[in-house]
Amino acid sequence: EAGVAQSPRYKIIEKRQSVAFWCNPISGHATLYWYQQILGQGPKLLIQFQNNGVVDDSQLPKDRFSAERLKGVDSTLKIQPAKLEDSAVYLCASSLDPGWETQYFGPGTRLLVL
Amino acid sequence: SQKIEQNSEALNIQEGKTATLTCNYTNYSPAYLQWYRQDPGRGPVFLLLIRENEKEKRKERLKVTFDTTLKQSLFHITASQPADSATYLCAPHSGGGADGLTFGKGTHLIIQP
Repeated sequence: EAGVAQSPRYKIIEKRQSVAFWCNPISGHATLYWYQQILGQGPKLLIQFQNNGVVDDSQLPKDRFSAERLKGVDSTLKIQPAKLEDSAVYLCASSLDPGWETQYFGPGTRLLVL
Repeated sequence: SQKIEQNSEALNIQEGKTATLTCNYTNYSPAYLQWYRQDPGRGPVFLLLIRENEKEKRKERLKVTFDTTLKQSLFHITASQPADSATYLCAPHSGGGADGLTFGKGTHLIIQP
């Protein structure tokens, strides 16, 4: 079974530029999550999708971050404009359905904002 | 506010010994608690889940305990090996509402040969 795929793996941008990350969850997984992991911290939930609907985006900085999962499969996370403090690893995870506790994480996208 | 505390310092253990990692939480009433392992440059990998009505759970060399009175979970690795070196994250969960996880900072475990 293929795991969660993410791209790119690394991205370096200058502040005020925009960037987008892509995630393809495990086939059949209805729930998709985006997490932000700053160096030395645990992952922090940004947004959770159930199919193509948003379940929880309470910690998403909506003035600069946006995410979508249009067809209920792949998802993109965008930052526009980026700030220095957005430097982090962005992790995508999926689970079979809500209430299925185990989450499967992708390798992450490491973002450096200069 | 809710807080999750894990050993802030790296934990150095000699190969073959038992490693014990601690997860304390406050202002939570978790229905279950999960432990994940994270290697450098990789995403977390699920290890074990323990529910509030379970005192202990085992999987091969791994053992997790859950004390809801002390608000603490302990994670044990017996007969530790250098390959067990990684960061271990705990994530208590209320079990209700949205299912996103809140993680502790993690404990960096180093098993020395």
